[in-house]
Amino acid sequence: DAKTTQPPSMDCAEGRAANLPCNHSTISGNEYVYWYRQIHSQGPQYIIHGLKNNETNEMASLIITEDRKSSTLILPHATLRDTAVYYCIVRVDLRDYGGSQGNLIFGKGTKLSVKP
Amino acid sequence: DTGVSQDPRHKITKRGQNVTFRCDPISEHNRLYWYRQTLGQGPEFLTYFQNEAQLEKSRLLSDRFSAERPKGSFSTLEIQRTEQGDSAMYLCASSPGRTGRGYGYTFGSGTRLTVV
Repeated sequence: DAKTTQPPSMDCAEGRAANLPCNHSTISGNEYVYWYRQIHSQGPQYIIHGLKNNETNEMASLIITEDRKSSTLILPHATLRDTAVYYCIVRVDLRDYGGSQGNLIFGKGTKLSVKP
Repeated sequence: DTGVSQDPRHKITKRGQNVTFRCDPISEHNRLYWYRQTLGQGPEFLTYFQNEAQLEKSRLLSDRFSAERPKGSFSTLEIQRTEQGDSAMYLCASSPGRTGRGYGYTFGSGTRLTVV
């Protein structure tokens, strides 16, 4: 399983973009980059995922480097409600596998604090 | 169907007692997962169901733990003879798999167990 490295914590001013980095230098060709976040006392929430191309949805943008060894999650206009732990996970296509092949393996993530 | 429901949200029990948690996944999701999360750590995989079949158990799931999903719908996780080390947040997640609509896991809000 490819491992990821994330900074333990980051601060961001409200209204500014939050850029959360993730290193995954051992990623395999069939592995996707998934981002989840966990707000205090809640379960993790899916944000976005990608294979090679940059992705954008209503929550965030995901920028993956050309060599796929790192990625950045961008929250374009962070709000106080975005304060959470953000997890970067490298995994196979979760639709194809269940159980220990297709489960999510969480590290400690990055604790993002959005400040007024 | 608004998401994954877990009951109860909080449980305080005395050491040695048995406890049971319930998870109601999204109705059309055939995959169901249980995770455990201790303070400051990311969630850890416990077990996986495909419909009613329990296909995987992690080594974290000791003999005191048992999980069921009798009709492929809701699931229960029982802990017998609880120990203080069982204190954690127990999270349930469901996913549609290859044939379903949507992507990623949907997590419930978890059951926080405190063993005193």
